[in-house]
Amino acid sequence: GAGVSQSPSNKVTEKGKDVELRCDPISGHTALYWYRQSLGQGLEFLIYFQGNSAPDKSGLPSDRFSAERTGGSVSTLTIQRTQQEDSAVYLCASTIRGGALDTQYFGPGTRLTVL
Amino acid sequence: AQSVAQPEDQVNVAEGNPLTVKCTYSVSGNPYLFWYVQYPNRGLQFLLKYITGDNLVKGSYGFEAEFNKSQTSFHLKKPSALVSDSALYFCAVRDDTGGFKTIFGAGTRLFVKA
Repeated sequence: GAGVSQSPSNKVTEKGKDVELRCDPISGHTALYWYRQSLGQGLEFLIYFQGNSAPDKSGLPSDRFSAERTGGSVSTLTIQRTQQEDSAVYLCASTIRGGALDTQYFGPGTRLTVL
Repeated sequence: AQSVAQPEDQVNVAEGNPLTVKCTYSVSGNPYLFWYVQYPNRGLQFLLKYITGDNLVKGSYGFEAEFNKSQTSFHLKKPSALVSDSALYFCAVRDDTGGFKTIFGAGTRLFVKA
């Protein structure tokens, strides 16, 4: 069974450009999380999807950030008009149900560099 | 509000010696506590979790953690460190009030010297 996959593994972009980051969760996992890991920082929660429920977007840092999850599986995190402070590793995780007791399975991350 | 503190940015240990990576937390309800490890160029991996029951939790790779409610701590321990344990360790917490959000600490980098 494949784990969580993310693409691209690395993305270098120019300030002001839009980027899309992709996450493929483990098959059958209904919950999906996006986090941001900045240098020297812990993981910052961004957004959470659980089944067909409305996502919790409370962690998104600005309206330049958005995410969607199509068909309850693949998710795309979009950052519009990127800024240098957006440079970070973006991590995706999935869990079976999204319950408090569930272990999160993380993807390898996408390292975003905004020049 | 939930929070997690890892007071040490870095821990240095000699191979064969015991190691401790510290974590303290603050939650509204009862805590669910987790440790994850991030090896170089690899994703985060689950090590262990405390939900309820015995205060000493055993996890992967010989690690264990002790839940201390009075001190609101969940320190990660290993009796004998290996060079291969060198990695970035994250403590995380959720509570039982129905929220799903997991709060992670800033991480502690462990260096084990041969």
